[in-house]
Amino acid sequence: DADVTQTPRNRITKTGKRIMLECSQTKGHDRMYWYRQDPGLGLRLIYYSFDVKDINKGEISDGYSVSRQAQAKFSLSLESAIPNQTALYFCATSEPGGNTIYFGEGSWLTVV
Amino acid sequence: SQKIEQNSEALNIQEGKTATLTCNYTNYSPAYLQWYRQDPGRGPVFLLLIRENEKEKRKERLKVTFDTTLKQSLFHITASQPADSATYLCALPPRNSGNTPLVFGKGTRLSVIA
Repeated sequence: DADVTQTPRNRITKTGKRIMLECSQTKGHDRMYWYRQDPGLGLRLIYYSFDVKDINKGEISDGYSVSRQAQAKFSLSLESAIPNQTALYFCATSEPGGNTIYFGEGSWLTVV
Repeated sequence: SQKIEQNSEALNIQEGKTATLTCNYTNYSPAYLQWYRQDPGRGPVFLLLIRENEKEKRKERLKVTFDTTLKQSLFHITASQPADSATYLCALPPRNSGNTPLVFGKGTRLSVIA
């Protein structure tokens, strides 16, 4: 089983709909991240959380919100999806003071 | 904050040759720099970390160098194989202090041709 699990892996949704991407991890890490990847733009940080009570905006947080339900769970929501949010989304984790980031398998989101 | 440039979007090389990928950064020199491998449609996977006081790091056929004067890291794959075909990303801390997540380069897509 993957250490960082994302659901759904693929989703097509309509403009204006609310969509949630969920992430759970079994690595016991305190730190969790949501990244977005677009062709030609690389990986960009949306939100990150260093522990259950800590939420921080990343480079491109507009149009997104997150919830850290537990140490192992970090979900990303698009309150009203728009087509330019079509992308590959990655959840990731790392240890406090640790430098390595562990990524999930990604969630393909298409907004039509 | 830091800007990262990876030398080219794509690199094609012949099997058996050494692939060399470049990562350049602006501003300050980070305490460390990392390299990740990403296969199509998959999440990046950590390969190597090199610290500012290390000139070179090796892992099997992989070698990473870190030149803080040139503000550059080189990533080498020796005796390259078609299975090495992937996108390679460099990553480093965006600021030289504080607890902030890594910033990633856009990556270089390597194709090893048999």
